[in-house]
Amino acid sequence: EAGVVQSPRYKIIEKKQPVAFWCNPISGHNTLYWYRQNLGQGPELLIRYENEEAVDDSQLPKDRFSAERLKGVDSTLKIQPAELGDSAVYLCASSLEEGRNTIYFGEGSWLTVV
Amino acid sequence: GNSVTQMEGPVTLSEEAFLTINCTYTATGYPSLFWYVQYPGEGLQLLLKATKADDKGSNKGFEATYRKETTSFHLEKGSVQVSDSAVYFCALHGSSNTGKLIFGQGTTLQVKP
Repeated sequence: EAGVVQSPRYKIIEKKQPVAFWCNPISGHNTLYWYRQNLGQGPELLIRYENEEAVDDSQLPKDRFSAERLKGVDSTLKIQPAELGDSAVYLCASSLEEGRNTIYFGEGSWLTVV
Repeated sequence: GNSVTQMEGPVTLSEEAFLTINCTYTATGYPSLFWYVQYPGEGLQLLLKATKADDKGSNKGFEATYRKETTSFHLEKGSVQVSDSAVYFCALHGSSNTGKLIFGQGTTLQVKP
């Protein structure tokens, strides 16, 4: 069975430019997460979806970040405009449903803002 | 709030040495506990988990026991290999914050031949 798929794997952009990341969760997983991992730190949750509904976006910087999960499957995370401090790994993850199920991570999208 | 604290790294060991990476947590209720591993240039992979007190999670020679009395979930391996070199993250999934994994800061393990 395919795992969580993310693209692009690597992206280098200039500050003030937009960038978008795409995620395809494990088939059948209703819950989708976006995490951000800064260098040398553990991941931190940005947003969590239950199907197509964003149920926890309290840590998402809404002035420049947006996310969507149309039809409750794939998801896109966008940053516009990007800042130098946005350089990080953006991890998508999924689980069967809300609660204590195991969360599976994709390989991440590595963003460098120059 | 819930939190996870890991021992600081890097941890440098010779091949076949015994490994312990300490992890303690603060949480209300009865969280589930996890160890994730991140190899260079890759995403997080679940290594093992334990969902209730006294449970022992194990995988690939690694093991960790959920100790509620000491709020700990230390990772151990009897004989490490060079291929175990990676960053290890302890995490909890609290009963009061469903859906949200909280991670420690990670511990880098370097195993030398």
